[in-house]
Amino acid sequence: GQNIDQPTEMTATEGAIVQINCTYQTSGFNGLFWYQQHAGEAPTFLSYNVLDGLEEKGRFSSFLSRSKGYSYLLLKELQMKDSASYLCAVTDSNYQLIWGAGTKLIIKP
Amino acid sequence: SQTIHQWPATLVQPVGSPLSLECTVEGTSNPNLYWYRQAAGRGLQLLFYSVGIGQISSEVPQNLSASRPQDRQFILSSKKLLLSDSGFYLCAWSVGTSDTGELFFGEGSRLTVL
Repeated sequence: GQNIDQPTEMTATEGAIVQINCTYQTSGFNGLFWYQQHAGEAPTFLSYNVLDGLEEKGRFSSFLSRSKGYSYLLLKELQMKDSASYLCAVTDSNYQLIWGAGTKLIIKP
Repeated sequence: SQTIHQWPATLVQPVGSPLSLECTVEGTSNPNLYWYRQAAGRGLQLLFYSVGIGQISSEVPQNLSASRPQDRQFILSSKKLLLSDSGFYLCAWSVGTSDTGELFFGEGSRLTVL
Protein backbone atom coordinates (compact mmCIF):
# COMPACT_ATOMS: atom_id res chain seq x y z
CA GLY A 1 0.00 0.00 0.00
CA GLN A 2 0.91 3.64 -0.19
CA ASN A 3 2.07 5.34 2.97
CA ILE A 4 3.36 8.73 4.10
CA ASP A 5 4.86 8.99 7.60
CA GLN A 6 5.57 12.16 9.51
CA PRO A 7 5.67 12.94 13.24
CA THR A 8 2.34 13.83 14.80
CA GLU A 9 3.56 16.81 16.80
CA MET A 10 6.73 18.80 17.40
CA THR A 11 7.59 21.67 19.73
CA ALA A 12 10.24 24.33 19.12
CA THR A 13 11.29 27.69 20.51
CA GLU A 14 10.85 31.04 18.83
CA GLY A 15 14.01 32.00 16.93
CA ALA A 16 15.27 28.42 16.73
CA ILE A 17 15.46 25.93 13.84
CA VAL A 18 13.22 22.88 13.40
CA GLN A 19 13.33 19.99 10.93
CA ILE A 20 10.17 18.06 10.08
CA ASN A 21 10.79 14.69 8.48
CA CYS A 22 8.64 12.78 6.00
CA THR A 23 9.16 9.26 4.69
CA TYR A 24 7.09 7.74 1.93
CA GLN A 25 6.34 4.46 0.19
CA THR A 26 4.28 5.03 -2.94
CA SER A 27 3.58 3.40 -6.29
CA GLY A 28 5.80 5.62 -8.36
CA PHE A 29 6.99 9.13 -7.62
CA ASN A 30 6.33 12.34 -9.49
CA GLY A 31 7.16 14.91 -6.85
CA LEU A 32 6.76 15.81 -3.20
CA PHE A 33 4.91 18.77 -1.74
CA TRP A 34 4.96 20.52 1.60
CA TYR A 35 1.88 22.51 2.60
CA GLN A 36 1.26 24.67 5.65
CA GLN A 37 -2.15 24.60 7.34
CA HIS A 38 -3.13 26.96 10.15
CA ALA A 39 -5.88 25.72 12.43
CA GLY A 40 -9.29 26.00 10.80
CA GLU A 41 -7.85 27.17 7.49
CA ALA A 42 -7.07 25.59 4.12
CA PRO A 43 -3.57 24.29 3.31
CA THR A 44 -1.26 26.64 1.46
CA PHE A 45 1.65 25.63 -0.76
CA LEU A 46 5.17 25.85 0.66
CA SER A 47 7.47 23.83 -1.59
CA TYR A 48 7.78 21.23 -4.32
CA ASN A 49 10.70 18.83 -4.86
CA VAL A 50 11.03 16.42 -7.76
CA LEU A 51 14.83 16.10 -7.93
CA ASP A 52 17.20 15.15 -5.13
CA GLY A 53 18.65 17.98 -3.14
CA LEU A 54 17.78 21.07 -1.20
CA GLU A 55 15.36 23.79 -2.31
CA GLU A 56 15.66 27.01 -0.33
CA LYS A 57 12.96 29.65 -0.13
CA GLY A 58 13.57 32.31 2.47
CA ARG A 59 13.32 30.89 5.99
CA PHE A 60 11.99 27.59 4.65
CA SER A 61 13.98 24.85 2.90
CA SER A 62 12.91 21.42 1.67
CA PHE A 63 15.15 18.44 0.99
CA LEU A 64 14.47 15.29 -1.01
CA SER A 65 16.22 11.93 -1.34
CA ARG A 66 14.32 9.74 -3.78
CA SER A 67 16.52 6.69 -3.18
CA LYS A 68 15.69 6.83 0.54
CA GLY A 69 12.05 7.84 0.13
CA TYR A 70 12.74 10.73 2.46
CA SER A 71 12.17 14.45 2.68
CA TYR A 72 12.44 17.11 5.32
CA LEU A 73 11.18 20.64 5.77
CA LEU A 74 13.58 22.97 7.57
CA LEU A 75 12.23 26.11 9.20
CA LYS A 76 14.75 28.71 10.40
CA GLU A 77 14.35 31.73 12.67
CA LEU A 78 11.04 30.43 13.91
CA GLN A 79 8.26 32.91 14.50
CA MET A 80 5.08 32.47 16.50
CA LYS A 81 3.09 32.62 13.25
CA ASP A 82 4.83 29.42 12.12
CA SER A 83 2.66 27.50 14.59
CA ALA A 84 0.64 25.33 12.20
CA SER A 85 0.36 21.86 10.79
CA TYR A 86 2.78 20.91 8.02
CA LEU A 87 1.53 18.40 5.47
CA CYS A 88 3.75 16.21 3.33
CA ALA A 89 2.21 14.88 0.09
CA VAL A 90 3.61 12.74 -2.73
CA THR A 91 2.40 12.58 -6.33
CA ASP A 92 2.28 8.94 -7.38
CA SER A 93 2.61 7.35 -10.82
CA ASN A 94 -1.01 8.28 -11.64
CA TYR A 95 -0.39 11.91 -10.62
CA GLN A 96 -2.64 11.46 -7.59
CA LEU A 97 -1.58 13.18 -4.38
CA ILE A 98 -1.03 10.90 -1.39
CA TRP A 99 -1.19 12.87 1.88
CA GLY A 100 0.49 12.41 5.22
CA ALA A 101 -1.53 13.09 8.37
CA GLY A 102 0.46 16.26 9.04
CA THR A 103 2.83 17.42 11.76
CA LYS A 104 1.49 19.92 14.26
CA LEU A 105 4.26 22.39 15.09
CA ILE A 106 3.97 24.28 18.37
CA ILE A 107 6.20 27.34 18.81
CA LYS A 108 6.93 28.49 22.35
CA PRO A 109 8.24 31.95 23.27
CA SER B 1 -5.25 35.46 -11.45
CA GLN B 2 -7.04 32.30 -10.42
CA THR B 3 -9.29 32.16 -7.38
CA ILE B 4 -11.37 29.46 -5.74
CA HIS B 5 -14.32 29.96 -3.44
CA GLN B 6 -16.43 27.51 -1.53
CA TRP B 7 -19.46 27.99 0.66
CA PRO B 8 -20.90 27.89 3.17
CA ALA B 9 -17.94 28.30 5.53
CA THR B 10 -19.75 26.78 8.50
CA LEU B 11 -22.71 24.45 8.63
CA VAL B 12 -24.54 22.74 11.49
CA GLN B 13 -27.01 20.11 10.30
CA PRO B 14 -29.16 17.44 11.99
CA VAL B 15 -28.66 13.77 11.18
CA GLY B 16 -30.72 12.77 8.17
CA SER B 17 -30.84 16.22 6.62
CA PRO B 18 -29.50 16.99 3.12
CA LEU B 19 -26.23 18.72 2.30
CA SER B 20 -25.01 20.92 -0.49
CA LEU B 21 -21.54 22.47 -0.58
CA GLU B 22 -20.59 24.52 -3.60
CA CYS B 23 -17.24 25.45 -5.07
CA THR B 24 -16.35 27.69 -8.00
CA VAL B 25 -13.05 28.49 -9.66
CA GLU B 26 -12.32 31.71 -11.53
CA GLY B 27 -9.57 32.64 -13.95
CA THR B 28 -8.80 29.25 -15.47
CA SER B 29 -10.35 26.79 -17.91
CA ASN B 30 -10.89 23.04 -17.66
CA PRO B 31 -9.35 22.64 -14.20
CA ASN B 32 -9.18 19.35 -12.36
CA LEU B 33 -11.47 19.68 -9.34
CA TYR B 34 -11.37 17.85 -6.03
CA TRP B 35 -13.36 17.40 -2.83
CA TYR B 36 -11.40 16.41 0.27
CA ARG B 37 -12.49 15.75 3.85
CA GLN B 38 -10.25 16.29 6.84
CA ALA B 39 -11.32 14.78 10.16
CA ALA B 40 -9.86 16.28 13.33
CA GLY B 41 -6.17 15.37 13.63
CA ARG B 42 -6.27 13.30 10.45
CA GLY B 43 -4.84 13.66 6.97
CA LEU B 44 -6.71 14.77 3.89
CA GLN B 45 -9.04 12.13 2.48
CA LEU B 46 -9.86 12.45 -1.23
CA LEU B 47 -13.60 12.04 -1.76
CA PHE B 48 -14.14 12.93 -5.41
CA TYR B 49 -12.22 14.33 -8.33
CA SER B 50 -13.25 15.51 -11.76
CA VAL B 51 -11.29 16.09 -14.94
CA GLY B 52 -14.21 17.59 -16.88
CA ILE B 53 -17.90 18.45 -16.95
CA GLY B 54 -19.99 15.47 -15.89
CA GLN B 55 -16.89 13.35 -15.20
CA ILE B 56 -16.74 12.34 -11.54
CA SER B 57 -14.48 9.75 -9.92
CA SER B 58 -15.26 8.54 -6.43
CA GLU B 59 -12.44 7.43 -4.17
CA VAL B 60 -14.42 6.06 -1.24
CA PRO B 61 -17.90 4.53 -0.91
CA GLN B 62 -20.14 6.75 1.18
CA ASN B 63 -23.45 8.54 1.26
CA LEU B 64 -21.97 11.60 -0.46
CA SER B 65 -22.12 12.46 -4.14
CA ALA B 66 -20.53 15.09 -6.35
CA SER B 67 -21.56 16.84 -9.51
CA ARG B 68 -19.88 19.17 -11.99
CA PRO B 69 -22.63 20.94 -13.90
CA GLN B 70 -20.29 23.56 -15.35
CA ASP B 71 -16.58 23.65 -16.14
CA ARG B 72 -15.63 25.62 -13.02
CA GLN B 73 -18.35 24.52 -10.59
CA PHE B 74 -18.14 21.52 -8.28
CA ILE B 75 -20.89 20.53 -5.85
CA LEU B 76 -20.78 18.08 -2.95
CA SER B 77 -24.13 16.69 -1.85
CA SER B 78 -25.80 14.24 0.45
CA LYS B 79 -29.46 13.22 0.71
CA LYS B 80 -29.18 12.12 4.35
CA LEU B 81 -26.28 13.15 6.57
CA LEU B 82 -24.70 10.80 9.10
CA LEU B 83 -22.87 11.76 12.30
CA SER B 84 -19.66 10.47 10.71
CA ASP B 85 -19.98 13.06 7.94
CA SER B 86 -18.82 15.78 10.33
CA GLY B 87 -15.51 17.29 9.31
CA PHE B 88 -13.69 19.98 7.41
CA TYR B 89 -14.41 19.83 3.68
CA LEU B 90 -12.00 21.31 1.20
CA CYS B 91 -12.48 21.98 -2.46
CA ALA B 92 -9.35 22.24 -4.58
CA TRP B 93 -8.30 22.67 -8.17
CA SER B 94 -5.23 21.90 -10.24
CA VAL B 95 -4.19 22.79 -13.75
CA GLY B 96 -5.57 20.17 -16.11
CA THR B 97 -2.24 19.62 -17.84
CA SER B 98 0.02 20.30 -14.88
CA ASP B 99 3.28 18.38 -14.60
CA THR B 100 3.31 18.66 -10.83
CA GLY B 101 -0.30 18.25 -9.73
CA GLU B 102 -0.05 21.19 -7.33
CA LEU B 103 -3.38 21.84 -5.62
CA PHE B 104 -4.95 25.18 -4.80
CA PHE B 105 -7.49 25.02 -2.00
CA GLY B 106 -10.68 26.86 -1.21
CA GLU B 107 -11.30 28.33 2.22
CA GLY B 108 -12.91 25.17 3.59
CA SER B 109 -16.36 24.33 4.96
CA ARG B 110 -16.74 23.06 8.50
CA LEU B 111 -19.69 20.69 8.81
CA THR B 112 -21.06 19.58 12.17
CA VAL B 113 -23.74 16.91 12.11
CA LEU B 114 -25.74 16.65 15.34
